[in-house]
Amino acid sequence: DAGVTQSPTHLIKTRGQQVTLRCSPISGHKSVSWYQQVLGQGPQFIFQYYEKEERGRGNFPDRFSARQFPNYSSELNVNALLLGDSALYLCASSLRWDRRNSPLHFGNGTRLTVT
Amino acid sequence: SQQGEEDPQALSIQEGENATMNCSYKTSINNLQWYRQNSGRGLVHLILIRSNEREKHSGRLRVTLDTSKKSSSLLITASRAADTASYFCATDDQGAQKLVFGQGTRLTINP
Repeated sequence: DAGVTQSPTHLIKTRGQQVTLRCSPISGHKSVSWYQQVLGQGPQFIFQYYEKEERGRGNFPDRFSARQFPNYSSELNVNALLLGDSALYLCASSLRWDRRNSPLHFGNGTRLTVT
Repeated sequence: SQQGEEDPQALSIQEGENATMNCSYKTSINNLQWYRQNSGRGLVHLILIRSNEREKHSGRLRVTLDTSKKSSSLLITASRAADTASYFCATDDQGAQKLVFGQGTRLTINP
């Protein structure tokens, strides 16, 4: 079975532009989470979606938004890009949104560079 | 914001030696997880220890958890060059599967 897939793998944008990142979870997984990892830091939680509904949001500005589709894939949108948005954006999937004691399965991420 | 600290930030050892990484956190948890990240790639889950467990083993990995001290350690025995990676601890204090990661330990295994 395929793992979590993310596209594109790399992206270069200019300040002020908008970007959309895509994620396909592992087959059968209904929960998708997004994380931002700035170089040299650990990942930070952005959003969690389950059954197309937002189940959690981290401490990120409203420029960040996301959605989940009926096939459980997800998009992360970032508007009005800032230099500080340059990071590796990671998507993770799991079977349920509320199941504790189960690990997350991460994709390889999208490397976003804002110039 | 990061949950806690990992110590050391970087560790360089010879192949075959043991590597120990420590993690501290700030709030009560349901579980603590360790992940590995090879350069520029996604995170791979290594091991999960529940708050009512004190020690857990998986192959060459040994994890301990001390909830009274809010700390955990990851021991990798008989290290190999392929173990070169960054290692992160993560807790679920914000809710199921909303993980809070530390800053990571960068481990280098020298042949």
